[in-house]
Amino acid sequence: EDQVTQSPEALRLQEGESSSLNCSYTVSGLRGLFWYRQDPGKGPEFLFTLYSAGEEKEKERLKATLTKKESFLHITAPKPEDSATYLCAVRYSGGSNYKLTFGKGTLLTVNP
Amino acid sequence: EPEVTQTPSHQVTQMGQEVILRCVPISNHLYFYWYRQILGQKVEFLVSFYNNEISEKSEIFDDQFSVERPDGSNFTLKIRSTKLEDSAMYFCASTGTSGDYEQYFGPGTRLTVT
Repeated sequence: EDQVTQSPEALRLQEGESSSLNCSYTVSGLRGLFWYRQDPGKGPEFLFTLYSAGEEKEKERLKATLTKKESFLHITAPKPEDSATYLCAVRYSGGSNYKLTFGKGTLLTVNP
Repeated sequence: EPEVTQTPSHQVTQMGQEVILRCVPISNHLYFYWYRQILGQKVEFLVSFYNNEISEKSEIFDDQFSVERPDGSNFTLKIRSTKLEDSAMYFCASTGTSGDYEQYFGPGTRLTVT
């Protein structure tokens, strides 16, 4: 059973069409939930860290929120340059002190 | 802005050969990691390293793998005898003064084993 599940697997939006990506997790003792952006053939680029339910972080057109079971990455009025794979990862007390466990990602395509 | 660098960007090797992947973490960071991503699959943890020793390793990180911090700046991953299934993108990451902070990833080394 996957510990981190992201949905949808792929999302196609028109420029300006807002939407949300979901990351649900089944681990207990969450010690951080991380959002990364990954462009093809590149390394994950850090976006946000969330530590506790109710926490929100914003950066430009992106806003991340966290509940006890899931996180959402809201994309407001996306542009074509927002096209990428968005990865969610968790760190939890049942794992090692510091390793990240990743989901499979959501491939976002924004058409002009 | 400080960043993690990795060399080479692409390594092609024959099965059974040894490879060394190199990383230069962000200069004041203390925690170092290797992850890999097989094409089309998720990013998987391999090993974490702190205070000159391995903190944790995954079941993927068997006796064929080793890590080293040979000096104050480099962090290496060695695969002693490569297999076809070792073909993947290998990412180095580092974290600052606390392992609870976000990890910053390098651009990756694409390893192709033929």
